[in-house]
Amino acid sequence: DQQVKQNSPSLSVQEGRISILNCDYTNSMFDYFLWYKKYPAEGPTFLISISSIKDKNEDGRFTVFLNKSAKHLSLHIVPSQPGDSAVYFCAALTGGTSYGKLTFGQGTILTVHP
Amino acid sequence: NAGVTQTPKFQVLKTGQSMTLQCAQDMNHEYMSWYRQDPGMGLRLIHYSVGAGITDQGEVPNGYNVSRSTTEDFPLRLLSAAPSQTSVYFCASTLKGTGGGYNSPLHFGNGTRLTVT
Repeated sequence: DQQVKQNSPSLSVQEGRISILNCDYTNSMFDYFLWYKKYPAEGPTFLISISSIKDKNEDGRFTVFLNKSAKHLSLHIVPSQPGDSAVYFCAALTGGTSYGKLTFGQGTILTVHP
Repeated sequence: NAGVTQTPKFQVLKTGQSMTLQCAQDMNHEYMSWYRQDPGMGLRLIHYSVGAGITDQGEVPNGYNVSRSTTEDFPLRLLSAAPSQTSVYFCASTLKGTGGGYNSPLHFGNGTRLTVT
């Protein structure tokens, strides 16, 4: 049973436009959410996170939105750049000391065209 | 600063063979873990450790063993390789942090691509 789902396997956008990556979850015990970015032949790298007590967190061009009632989060990248082309993974944590026990989504391949 | 180092980068095994995937980190992180990445499945937790001498199972532990004799190293052993273990394996580490470690995202190595024939 996939507790974190990224239903779009891929997304293609034009440079300068907005990229919106979506993620849904089913476990109401999740209270911390993260986005990781992965280039080919490299490990995932942390991008941005959000606590369940917030509904938005912003870091430069990256903003994550959380809708707890809908169990949905999204990552917005504005403006998109060709270097943003990568696989993006949504991940979630439950409370307490589960700091490393992330549950990941399947990933979305983002391609930004010049 | 090397971060998390995984060796080898690539490995081909025959069914039934055993091997050890190596993972070392130089950041003095208490927490280390192993994930496998399969197409359409994301990353799934195999085993993890919260400190030297302490290990526990993750979501998909069958067929794998781990031990943690030092803070720096966390090897993953495949006891008898099966084609279903063909995957990309990632080691990751983090500080335990405070408040449950929410401010300590995982640092990943670059992975080991394993093929079992």
